[in-house]
Amino acid sequence: EIVMTQSPATLSVSPGERATLSCRASQSVGSNVAWYQQKFGQAPRLLMYGASTRATGFPARFSGSGSGTEFTLTISSLQSEDFAVYYCQQYNNWPLFTFGPGTKVDIK
Amino acid sequence: EVQLLESGGGLVQPGGSLRLSCAASGFTFSTYGMSWVRQAPGKGLEWVSSISGSGGSTYYADSVKGRFTISRDNSKNTLYLQMNSLRAEDTAVYYCVRLTGTIECWGQGILVTVSS
Repeated sequence: EIVMTQSPATLSVSPGERATLSCRASQSVGSNVAWYQQKFGQAPRLLMYGASTRATGFPARFSGSGSGTEFTLTISSLQSEDFAVYYCQQYNNWPLFTFGPGTKVDIK
Repeated sequence: EVQLLESGGGLVQPGGSLRLSCAASGFTFSTYGMSWVRQAPGKGLEWVSSISGSGGSTYYADSVKGRFTISRDNSKNTLYLQMNSLRAEDTAVYYCVRLTGTIECWGQGILVTVSS
């Protein structure tokens, strides 16, 4: 089983600041990584796929990078609506998926 | 508009059974793989099971293998999850999701509580 880890568990950021979230896979998953945004009481929403392709509806301040085992999600200038939990997920052995434990981005 | 609407959740005793349904609309259901993903209270996301568009291939997480069965009725545009021998650790919100390369569309979720 491919294990996904994320760091940090919680990231406290002031509005307008940059946020960098990390995700690591226990073995290579190529670029088959997605990121999801989940706000309190809501279902997750696809944010990024193919490690670096933004999903519909997300602005350019969100960017993704990485391949193999190391991945990064960057929010260039945090807005109030960006405070949420972010999960990475591998789909290299589709349709079996594994998720990371999540990074909570909260207001500093 | 793509819609996934889960139903069938609720409170069940340990060892009991429950069947979840997911009514799909707004797309050609039979051409998409589907999955169930769950989230225990205050916890992260866990993939539970997947099924191919035809229903001919099914996949399960080790935590539910032998207890849960995923199925679909393409004539009714409905996905199912039969859950048997339920345990306290199965308590979670269960999401019905549509697959492309990854999970691109989520239902609103349905709560299953396993407790005596």
